[in-house]
Amino acid sequence: EAGVAQSPRYKIIEKRQSVAFWCNPISGHATLYWYQQILGQGPKLLIQFQNNGVVDDSQLPKDRFSAERLKGVDSTLKIQPAKLEDSAVYLCASSLDRTFYNEQFFGPGTRLTVL
Amino acid sequence: AQKITQTQPGMFVQEKEAVTLDCTYDTSDPSYGLFWYKQPSSGEMIFLIYQGSYDQQNATEGRYSLNFQKARKSANLVISASQLGDSAMYFCAMRGSNDYKLSFGAGTTVTVRA
Repeated sequence: EAGVAQSPRYKIIEKRQSVAFWCNPISGHATLYWYQQILGQGPKLLIQFQNNGVVDDSQLPKDRFSAERLKGVDSTLKIQPAKLEDSAVYLCASSLDRTFYNEQFFGPGTRLTVL
Repeated sequence: AQKITQTQPGMFVQEKEAVTLDCTYDTSDPSYGLFWYKQPSSGEMIFLIYQGSYDQQNATEGRYSLNFQKARKSANLVISASQLGDSAMYFCAMRGSNDYKLSFGAGTTVTVRA
């Protein structure tokens, strides 16, 4: 079974530029998550999708971050414009559904550096 | 809202010895799940073990076991017979039945010495 795929693995941009990350979840997983992990901290949920609908985006900085999952499969996360404090690893995860006991499977992450 | 506390920022353990990683939590949800993840330097989060709040027995997965004490709200991870490949960051996480968000602790870095 293929795991969660993410691209790119690394990205370096200057502040005020825009950037987009892509995620393809495990086949059949209805729930998709985007996390931000700042160096030395645990991941923080940015947004959660159930199929192509948003379940929770309460911690997404909506003035600069956006995400979509149009066909209920793969997803993109965009930052526009980027700030220095956005430097982090962006992790995508998926699970069968939203049930609390279902484990989340994580992708390798995208390491973003904003200069 | 859930809160996860991992008080050990870093630990050293000798190869082949056991190590215990502490995790305490706080929640008002009646049912919840506790997870441990391993994050090596490559960055990927690897699921290790799961404990449900109503599970009667402590979870075990190979060399990983979870010491679950519900009254104390603790879910400590025990890694037995440590290997050099166990060197990584370990995160405790929790998800409640009323809050679908997976909340993570700050993590504990484990370094296994030969």
